[in-house]
Amino acid sequence: QLQLKESGSGLVKPSQTLSLTCAVSGGSISSGGYSWSWVRQPPGKGLEWIGSIYQSGDTHYKPSLKSRVTISADRSKNLFSLNLTSTTAADTAVYFCARASGYAYAIYFDHWGQGILVSVSS
Amino acid sequence: DIQMTQSPSTLSASVGDRVTITCRASQSINNWLAWYQQKPGKAPKLLIYRASSLETGVPSRFSGTGSGTEFTLTISSLQPDDFATYFCQQYNSYSPLTFGGGTKVEIK
Repeated sequence: QLQLKESGSGLVKPSQTLSLTCAVSGGSISSGGYSWSWVRQPPGKGLEWIGSIYQSGDTHYKPSLKSRVTISADRSKNLFSLNLTSTTAADTAVYFCARASGYAYAIYFDHWGQGILVSVSS
Repeated sequence: DIQMTQSPSTLSASVGDRVTITCRASQSINNWLAWYQQKPGKAPKLLIYRASSLETGVPSRFSGTGSGTEFTLTISSLQPDDFATYFCQQYNSYSPLTFGGGTKVEIK
């Protein structure tokens, strides 16, 4: 049974870098046909896709976030990570990692982590 | 970006009711639409993909229809476990994927 679990700092100071990791168990991030993604949800609001990484190493990001986002993978540890630079209070959200079927923008999310709340505050 | 508009934003219903939620896209997305259910403090759960395909393990009382710009999610007989917020998501390959604003189904 595929499981994903987020970890990282729950509090980030404004202008600093938000860093999260998603550990995957019950499946391999090197499996073809899937992407490994980050989605966030500000408190009480809707969902926003951040970006994805593929088995090939290709990455796709939401254009409005692209200049601040890096998603990387450590296949030896079966995990992938999110770095978001130059944070502001607007980046406060629950961050979910997820597995997606499809490629590039044409993906939907079939397995999700439990989510981790990250607050950006001094 | 393609805008996804859900209606209503909140829906009050009773156990056993037939419930319909609508999602409209600002331009045609063919049938590249997914529906999710989210309960408070939990991750979303995939219900339907490609507008009408039921994800494995999802009860058959959930169904999806539509194509182009208008889509519906129907719960044929609302169960206590179905009180939650529902989101649609478009995944047209020509535009970054986006979600609708959500529809909260609450107890009447």
